[in-house]
Amino acid sequence: NAGVTQTPKFQVLKTGQSMTLQCAQDMNHEYMSWYRQDPGMGLRLIHYSVGAGITDQGEVPNGYNVSRSTTEDFPLRLLSAAPSQTSVYFCASSFLAVDTQYFGPGTRLTVL
Amino acid sequence: QQQVKQSPQSLIVQKGGIPIINCAYENTAFDYFPWYQQFPGKGPALLIAIRPDVSEKKEGRFTISFNKSAKQFSLHIMDSQPGDSATYFCAASRGRNAGGTSYGKLTFGQGTILTVHP
Repeated sequence: NAGVTQTPKFQVLKTGQSMTLQCAQDMNHEYMSWYRQDPGMGLRLIHYSVGAGITDQGEVPNGYNVSRSTTEDFPLRLLSAAPSQTSVYFCASSFLAVDTQYFGPGTRLTVL
Repeated sequence: QQQVKQSPQSLIVQKGGIPIINCAYENTAFDYFPWYQQFPGKGPALLIAIRPDVSEKKEGRFTISFNKSAKQFSLHIMDSQPGDSATYFCAASRGRNAGGTSYGKLTFGQGTILTVHP
């Protein structure tokens, strides 16, 4: 199993540009989520999904959209990037019946 | 609002020392308390986790101590090694028994950068 994969690994955007961060898992996990990691703030939940077609907001959802059309994929969209979205983004997944969450390797995003 | 507060921000110990990282939480609905270990350039990985029905859990050199009345929990690393140098995050959530949409929403502490000198 590849586990949780994320692409791209690094990305530089200009203010106002849009992009999609990709996340995929091959473990048949129902639960998937996106976090952002900023220095001194730990990881903060952006959006999450408990299954295909079901998404909900986390702690810091503004400026981000998600969709879940398949069990495997959970892309995160930035519609109009802002410098405040400069961060490292992590995707995570787990079975609903188990608490352990598995994190991907992250995407480092810089917005100029 | 930071619901999980972690200290210290950084910690330096010698090989063989016992670093201790502390966390305090506010939400009494939390019932799952994991610790994650993160190496530079990698995603966090689950290290050990505890539920509030026990006061201590050991896995190898790692021990979680849990004080439900004080709403605090801590990570102890016995006989620390240079390979333990990493960032450690505590977290809390309503676990799988909570059901509904509260499941799995981890609230993380700020992180502790641990350096173990040879």
